[in-house]
Amino acid sequence: DTAVSQTPKYLVTQMGNDKSIKCEQNLGHDTMYWYKQDSKKFLKIMFSYNNKELIINETVPNRFSPKSPDKAHLNLHINSLELGDSAVYFCASSRTGQAGYGYTFGSGTRLTVV
Amino acid sequence: KNQVEQSPQSLIILEGKNCTLQCNYTVSPFSNLRWYKQDTGRGPVSLTIMTFSENTKSNGRYTATLDADTKQSSLHITASQLSDSASYICVVSATSGAGSYQLTFGKGTKLSVIP
Repeated sequence: DTAVSQTPKYLVTQMGNDKSIKCEQNLGHDTMYWYKQDSKKFLKIMFSYNNKELIINETVPNRFSPKSPDKAHLNLHINSLELGDSAVYFCASSRTGQAGYGYTFGSGTRLTVV
Repeated sequence: KNQVEQSPQSLIILEGKNCTLQCNYTVSPFSNLRWYKQDTGRGPVSLTIMTFSENTKSNGRYTATLDADTKQSSLHITASQLSDSASYICVVSATSGAGSYQLTFGKGTKLSVIP
């Protein structure tokens, strides 16, 4: 299936831990994103990344870092997890230069920090 | 500042009825407007995408309209089904030069269809 896939779907962890969420797309897209959806269901972009440029939302703490081993993957690494990091994190991808056509989201990773 | 406002925040309708969701935006320079459906526990899925020159676009029982002059869009759902229960998110894309664009998300309308 062509898709954006994220793992794990659920993640429960203790405060202070370091965790990673993986994202892979097989759509041939060249730009990938991470979004955070809070309890109010508002989607906020955290990062957008292609092989040329990483754009960081300035409100994102530097405990969050995207890591891209190749064009098809953009993993999200979180250091020193805090209670406020609990949210659903969505990965997405698109093709640059097409004004967002074909923008595709993954199914999300629900992170719970206890 | 680019903004997308959706109304109502939530809506409950009976199965089989029609409903209309609203989206007002102040995004510039405008590129396109999309409506996404987000089922509980899933990622947003695109329903329609419209450019400046398109006034209406349908996808099955979903019909989106766009008035670029008033910067308003609506999503009309006909003959609602229980499976239409979801959050509907309006997203507006603005071009930012060199093939880049910026998406501005609305906060969504939570629709509940009850039997």
